[in-house]
Amino acid sequence: RKEVEQDPGPFNVPEGATVAFNCTYSNSASQSFFWYRQDCRKEPKLLMSVYSSGNEDGRFTAQLNRASQYISLLIRDSKLSDSATYLCVVNRAQAGTALIFGKGTTLSVSS
Amino acid sequence: DADVTQTPRNRITKTGKRIMLECSQTKGHDRMYWYRQDPGLGLRLIYYSFDVKDINKGEISDGYSVSRQAQAKFSLSLESAIPNQTALYFCATSDLSAGVEDTQYFGPGTRLTVL
Repeated sequence: RKEVEQDPGPFNVPEGATVAFNCTYSNSASQSFFWYRQDCRKEPKLLMSVYSSGNEDGRFTAQLNRASQYISLLIRDSKLSDSATYLCVVNRAQAGTALIFGKGTTLSVSS
Repeated sequence: DADVTQTPRNRITKTGKRIMLECSQTKGHDRMYWYRQDPGLGLRLIYYSFDVKDINKGEISDGYSVSRQAQAKFSLSLESAIPNQTALYFCATSDLSAGVEDTQYFGPGTRLTVL
C-alpha cells in the first residue's frame, strides 16, 4: 500500500457544485495532516491543516478518520478559481523524517 | 519579499554540465528540503536538512548533492546533468510544532531543462 493515495481525477464540475476528495494513508502513527493546493506550474501552498475533530474554512471542510486512515476535503459552491491540483499531505511519524505528499487530485471548475 | 526564494527560476543546460540551484529563506526555520516534480509522479524528495550540520538523503538522491551553508541557505547541485533530470525543482522549509512536523513553505520553483 502506498504511503499516501489519492484519486488523481480529473474532477470536472460546474460552478456552484459540491465536490469531495478522498485520501488514504498507510501509517497509523501519523500525527499531522494537511491539504495543499497547487496551481499549474506554481509552488504548492497550504490550504488547510486537518484536525481530528474536523475543521472548516469558508467553503472548505476537512475531515480526518483515524480508524480508517482516511482524510477528506469537501468544497462547496465551487468557483472557477478553485481549479487546481489538491495534494493530501501526511507526516511519517518517525523521528527525523519529512512529510509525505500525495500525487494530487486535479479539479477543473467550468462555467 | 518572498519568504523562500530560489535562483535561478529557469535554466537550460547541456548534458554533463554542473548545475547549482540555490534556495534562501527568511522564515527562520531550521528544516529545509529539495523536491523535484515530474508530470504524473508528484513531488519526490531529493534531500533534506534539519539543521546546518544535518543532511539526509531522500527517495531520489542519486545524481544530486546538497550543501547547507547556513540556516537560511540550502543549495542543490547536479554534478553532471543528464536529460532525465529535466524537471521542476522546489525548495521548502518547515519547523516543528509541539515536536511534530509542521507546514512546509515552498519556494517558487526552478524549471530545469537538460538537453
